[in-house]
Amino acid sequence: NAGVTQTPKFQVLKTGQSMTLQCAQDMNHNSMYWYRQDPGMGLRLIYYSASEGTTDKGEVPNGYNVSRLNKREFSLRLESAAPSQTSVYFCASSEPTYEQYFGPGTRLTVT
Amino acid sequence: GENVEQHPSTLSVQEGDSAVIKCTYSDSASNYFPWYKQELGKGPQLIIDIRSNVGEKKDQRIAVTLNKTAKHFSLHITETQPEDSAVYFCAASRAARQLTFGSGTQLTVLP
Repeated sequence: NAGVTQTPKFQVLKTGQSMTLQCAQDMNHNSMYWYRQDPGMGLRLIYYSASEGTTDKGEVPNGYNVSRLNKREFSLRLESAAPSQTSVYFCASSEPTYEQYFGPGTRLTVT
Repeated sequence: GENVEQHPSTLSVQEGDSAVIKCTYSDSASNYFPWYKQELGKGPQLIIDIRSNVGEKKDQRIAVTLNKTAKHFSLHITETQPEDSAVYFCAASRAARQLTFGSGTQLTVLP
């Protein structure tokens, strides 16, 4: 039982490049989330998916897109990376109203 | 939207002493208040949570108190140990879906 897995663990991009962060969970959870974590600012919600086939914007969605591929997988795409998107990205999953389980994170640097 | 403020940002205690971290929230409709522990290089992990119909909850050395009238909640760790050293985050939400996090507290337990 791996819980929530994220790939890649580290990534360096140049401004304007695109990439997709992958997330998968094996706990059969309906809800999945993408957060970014910046120093001194805690975690901020980018997008979430309450169930397969639905996605909604969180607090900081600009510059990102998401895809809920199936119940297990929820990807985050940066179409044209900017230095302001340098951050640590966390994926999480949960059943509604219950504990959110977090993955190990992806450290992204945009130069 | 919800706003969560967390204090202090850093806290050092001697091993065996108690540690207290405080958070305030702005949305009176928030009814779920989890606390997460994040170790270096890892994702946050839930350590305790409380819902608005309860004033206090304990789990061994950890306790959380909630004052709905004043809109603040606190984490209490007794008999601190070196392995308690980590970053702690509070959060608030309606029904555990869109969590709004505080900015975090770096707890250091000195041997």
